[in-house]
This record gives sequence, structure tokens and C-alpha cells, in this order.
Amino acid sequence: EAGVVQSPRYKIIEKKQPVAFWCNPISGHNTLYWYRQNLGQGPELLIRYENEEAVDDSQLPKDRFSAERLKGVDSTLKIQPAELGDSAVYLCASSLVSPWGAAGTEAFFGQGTRLTVV
Amino acid sequence: TQLLEQSPQFLSIQEGENLTVYCNSSSVFSSLQWYRQEPGEGPVLLVTVVTGGEVKKLKRLTFQFGDARKDSSLHITAAQPGDTGLYLCAGSLNTNAGKSTFGDGTTLTVKP
Repeated sequence: EAGVVQSPRYKIIEKKQPVAFWCNPISGHNTLYWYRQNLGQGPELLIRYENEEAVDDSQLPKDRFSAERLKGVDSTLKIQPAELGDSAVYLCASSLVSPWGAAGTEAFFGQGTRLTVV
Repeated sequence: TQLLEQSPQFLSIQEGENLTVYCNSSSVFSSLQWYRQEPGEGPVLLVTVVTGGEVKKLKRLTFQFGDARKDSSLHITAAQPGDTGLYLCAGSLNTNAGKSTFGDGTTLTVKP
């Protein structure tokens, strides 16, 4: 069974440029998460989708970040324009149901996209 | 202020030694999860604990959830180099909220 697939694995861009990340969750998983992980820190939730609906985007910096999950499957996360402080690893995860609503339901993470803004 | 405080931040030990890492909070959690993350990879779930005082074992790893559901510990017996990684705890304040918070992790290095 294929896991959560993210692309690209690495991205280096100049500040003020746009960038987009793509995530293909595990087939059948209805919940999708985007996290940001800074060096030496734990993942921080940016947005959570249940099917195609964003049910929690309170931590998403909406002035420059946007996300979509068309048809409740793949998802893209975009930053425009990127700033130096956006350098981090962006992780996508998926689960069959919200893992926090059903004890023991596992969230599967992709390998992440390491973004460097110069 | 971090909702979940993990300690120690870094731990370097020799193969065969035992160790314990901690995850503490002043808040009560409905569930708490432990993950391990290797460099260049995403976190992988190790265990979920939901009942105060619960103890779960996974081979050489023992996880304990505090009686008051505010803290948790992970004990590794006879550590091996393959145990090297970042150990993260994540907690949910409400089982129906669909939201959890991660600690900043403990970076474990096991030397051969």
C-alpha cells in the first residue's frame, strides 16, 4: 500500500517568489493535515481537511498561505510571496478519521518538503 | 508557552543503556500519542494512550500515561542504535476537537 506522497522533497526559492507543495494522501483517507516543522521543534498544524472541507485553519497565515483539497483527495499548499521565515519542513498527513476523535486511529505522515527561502 | 514540555531536549547514550524521556503539561489530555521521527522522514506513530495510569509496551519500549492524564513517559530498555531519532509526544485536549498539539521532542542518539 502506498503511503502519503509529497512533492517536491526539496525546494529552494528566493524570497518574494511563490511556491507550491503537493500531497497525495493514502487512498480512502478522509482527513488530511498540513503541518509545518521548524528545525528543532515539533510539527505545528496549519490546516486540517475533512474530505474537501477545511475544518481547522486557525493556524494558517492567510495573508500569504492558501490551501485546497479538490474532490477531497489530493491537496496543495501555496505560499505567495515566500518570506525568509517560511523556511521549514512542510509535512502532510492523512487518516481515515480524525485520529483525535477515535482513540488509536493512526495518522500517517509523508516524508515532507524541505523549503529553503534565500 | 508550550502546551507540552518534553525533556530532556537531547539525550546521548551508549548501546545497551536504559533511558526515560518525559512529556509534561498542566493540561488534562483525552489522549496522547508518541511518535518517532528519523532525519528526512515524517513522524511515525508508536502508540496512543487514553486512560489515566495506562501502561503500554512495544517490544523494548514502555509507555505510561499519568493518572491525571497530564503527563506521559517513554522508557526504552537496552537501547540500540536503531532507536536513534526524534521522539515526539502529541496530545488532544478534546477527543471530538480533531486537534492535537505536538511537543518539541527529545532527540535521542544511541552510540554503538
